[in-house]
Amino acid sequence: KQEVTQIPAALSVPEGENLVLNCSFTDSAIYNLQWFRQDPGKGLTSLLLIQSSQREQTSGRLNASLDKSSGRSTLYIAASQPGDSATYLCAVISPGSSNTGKLIFGQGTTLQVKP
Amino acid sequence: NAGVTQTPKFRVLKTGQSMTLLCAQDMNHEYMYWYRQDPGMGLRLIHYSVGEGTTAKGEVPDGYNVSRLKKQNFLLGLESAAPSQTSVYFCASRTTSRDNEQFFGPGTRLTVL
Repeated sequence: KQEVTQIPAALSVPEGENLVLNCSFTDSAIYNLQWFRQDPGKGLTSLLLIQSSQREQTSGRLNASLDKSSGRSTLYIAASQPGDSATYLCAVISPGSSNTGKLIFGQGTTLQVKP
Repeated sequence: NAGVTQTPKFRVLKTGQSMTLLCAQDMNHEYMYWYRQDPGMGLRLIHYSVGEGTTAKGEVPDGYNVSRLKKQNFLLGLESAAPSQTSVYFCASRTTSRDNEQFFGPGTRLTVL
């Protein structure tokens, strides 16, 4: 059974710092991996999606990498800002669920960027 | 283009009461999903639909029913609410394109007393 883990559960950094959020999954045979942002009391906003054949995706100050062989993905945030404070979730789709698109989520990392 | 919307945003029920949560999307997506989010448990799939008139069970379907009578709407029903169903409920949708990217609604916070 696929399990997704995000460590640490919480992270606090000063503004301007570059940081890395981690996501690991137990079954390396994933179809794709998606990173989301969730603000308190709000829904999920999709940040980046990496297909199984890709190694990384970039959007602005965000860069997500994927290493299927080791069962890991990282989300790199450059020059962090207080507005980046949120919970970041990663989710995977297993190949058997590629048609239905069922996501398996990690529990998230709550990031606080201090001014 | 409103994306994915959910009604209501908040609701308080007493044990045994029933209610229906409405999810609507205006992106002409085929697939729709209902998740619940609980502290320490993450998001878990309740039910999903791969098209109008179809539904299927997810990871935690017990105590819930769903219907997809129209392509743009996906309803989640609680026939007899229990305190264990206190949670935040999220609806999501996606197209049939290869990337499988899902788009989420703002959520419904439900409390069952």
